[in-house]
Amino acid sequence: EDQVTQSPEALRLQEGESSSLNCSYTVSGLRGLFWYRQDPGKGPEFLFTLYSAGEEKEKERLKATLTKKESFLHITAPKPEDSATYLCVPYQKVTFGTGTKLQVIP
Amino acid sequence: KAGVTQTPRYLIKTRGQQVTLSCSPISGHRSVSWYQQTPGQGLQFLFEYFSETQRNKGNFPGRFSGRQFSNSRSEMNVSTLELGDSALYLCASSLVGLDYTDTQYFGPGTRLTVL
Repeated sequence: EDQVTQSPEALRLQEGESSSLNCSYTVSGLRGLFWYRQDPGKGPEFLFTLYSAGEEKEKERLKATLTKKESFLHITAPKPEDSATYLCVPYQKVTFGTGTKLQVIP
Repeated sequence: KAGVTQTPRYLIKTRGQQVTLSCSPISGHRSVSWYQQTPGQGLQFLFEYFSETQRNKGNFPGRFSGRQFSNSRSEMNVSTLELGDSALYLCASSLVGLDYTDTQYFGPGTRLTVL
């Protein structure tokens, strides 16, 4: 059975304090992984698709990377508006991670 | 390009009633998937429709059903509502759907409260 684990469950950062979120998975034949951002009470917003190990994607203060068994979402110099829950899901789009709730404090 | 839309945005029902939620996908998208999101269980997959056929189904009881119309719009129905059905119901659409690497886009969700 496919499993997706995200860590930490919650992360509190000072504005400007960089960190990384982890998404580990047990999915055979992984052909892609998606990252989403979700604000409270809203639908997830698409951030990145990573297709193969070694791939990296960047958007503003976010950079996503992929290995054969995990993906990282690096947040550089975060701002309060980056506060949200970040979700990852393999390409099957069925098994979502439980998310990392990020809070950035001014 | 318009995004995924869901109606209604909020619903309050009582136990035993039934409810129908609606989802309009992004134009050109033929796959529509439904998810239930609760604080305790996170995002859980309900089912996927593609070209009016249910193609994948999650582990939910038969009280949860859906359908897709020829214009790709989809509806989800929950019969005999239980308190535990209170959740945010999310619809997502993509070009070709689950098990493919095309991007899936989510709607704003319908917040269902069962009293």
